[in-house]
Amino acid sequence: DTEVTQTPKHLVMGMTNKKSLKCEQHMGHRAMYWYKQKAKKPPELMFVYSYEKLSINESVPSRFSPECPNSSLLNLHLHALQPEDSALYLCASSQERAGARSNEKLFFGSGTQLSVL
Amino acid sequence: EDQVTQSPEALRLQEGESSSLNCSYTVSGLRGLFWYRQDPGKGPEFLFTLYSAGEEKEKERLKATLTKKESFLHITAPKPEDSATYLCAVQAWDNFNKFYFGSGTKLNVKP
Repeated sequence: DTEVTQTPKHLVMGMTNKKSLKCEQHMGHRAMYWYKQKAKKPPELMFVYSYEKLSINESVPSRFSPECPNSSLLNLHLHALQPEDSALYLCASSQERAGARSNEKLFFGSGTQLSVL
Repeated sequence: EDQVTQSPEALRLQEGESSSLNCSYTVSGLRGLFWYRQDPGKGPEFLFTLYSAGEEKEKERLKATLTKKESFLHITAPKPEDSATYLCAVQAWDNFNKFYFGSGTKLNVKP
């Protein structure tokens, strides 16, 4: 199984809603990532979890709240978003072996297309 | 500051017309350079990893090469199904959880 599964595929929410994005992988990867991608732009890193601990937060607004319940799951909780937060949200994972270079590539999910009205 | 610049932004080719995409990078200690393919509304799909200058990797019509300052993705006799955005990313030794992405090259191959 070399898949990263993201749900839902599409999400429309109002600015007062609370919703969550989910991500799951069963490759035994110990690093998991959230990226945000606007149309015709590269993916922008938001958060990184390494061994279930938040290791990188790229100064993301607090209306985005990540959670890593276990080594296979990653959530992104959304609250009081703005229309400019509409984007493709990508989850990724990697093996995470400090000092080793092999197999460090990111495996991406298909993303959640989020629209904030 | 670590940076990745890709060119051209967009490329239109006729089927069978070979060309190359460029990825120039500045990074403090390259751990790896990655090429991804992305179709509209989908997540990036891994193509290649290159680790050191002089290294080359091939897969079907694609060949990736690496120098100390840039990488090329050569596309030989492309087909319409090769149409996609090609992203380059670099990873540094001092922070291997940060992958710096370029803006991508959008390739359109006409039959």
